[in-house]
Amino acid sequence: DAKTTQPNSMESNEEEPVHLPCNHSTISGTDYIHWYRQLPSQGPEYVIHGLTSNVNNRMASLAIAEDRKSSTLILHRATLRDAAVYYCMQCGGTGANSKLTFGKGITLSVRP
Amino acid sequence: DGGITQSPKYLFRKEGQNVTLSCEQNLNHDAMYWYRQDPGQGLRLIYYSQIVNDFQKGDIAEGYSVSREKKESFPLTVTSAQKNPTAFYLCASSRGGTQPQHFGDGTRLSIL
Repeated sequence: DAKTTQPNSMESNEEEPVHLPCNHSTISGTDYIHWYRQLPSQGPEYVIHGLTSNVNNRMASLAIAEDRKSSTLILHRATLRDAAVYYCMQCGGTGANSKLTFGKGITLSVRP
Repeated sequence: DGGITQSPKYLFRKEGQNVTLSCEQNLNHDAMYWYRQDPGQGLRLIYYSQIVNDFQKGDIAEGYSVSREKKESFPLTVTSAQKNPTAFYLCASSRGGTQPQHFGDGTRLSIL
């Protein structure tokens, strides 16, 4: 079974960078890595995704290890609005062979 | 605006009753998903559908059923066989199995 593991919580100071880690111990060569974040009583929001190369968008950066067994979501300057639960997910395959596994989430606290 | 609509936001069920949760999307996405979220457990996949009239069991399908008769709709029925149905249920859609998922705001189901 796919294993996607994250630490339970992290703290950051406002306007400092934050690095949120995820381990993908059973990832296969064609599995994508996604990150989502969730505020209380809301559905998760897509943040970023990638396959092998590092990725950047307006919200964050995604660093993927060379062996793909780990990834790091990077928030370059944390704001109070970034306080949320962040989930990594790996997904791949098609049809009945599809597989999709979320980690249990990191609760990020941001100190003013 | 395009998006996913889940209804109702809160739902109460008596023991022994089936109940159906609605999920509608107007994003023209082929793939749709149902997740269950319990405190501290992240998101667990119940069922997914990559195309109309086809769906696959996820990790925790027992006690649930789905249908996908239209591209826009993917209702989830929580049957009386589900012994612990109290949870937050999330629906999502994507263009394909490895593409970013868009989530609804969830339905919170409670047993009376």
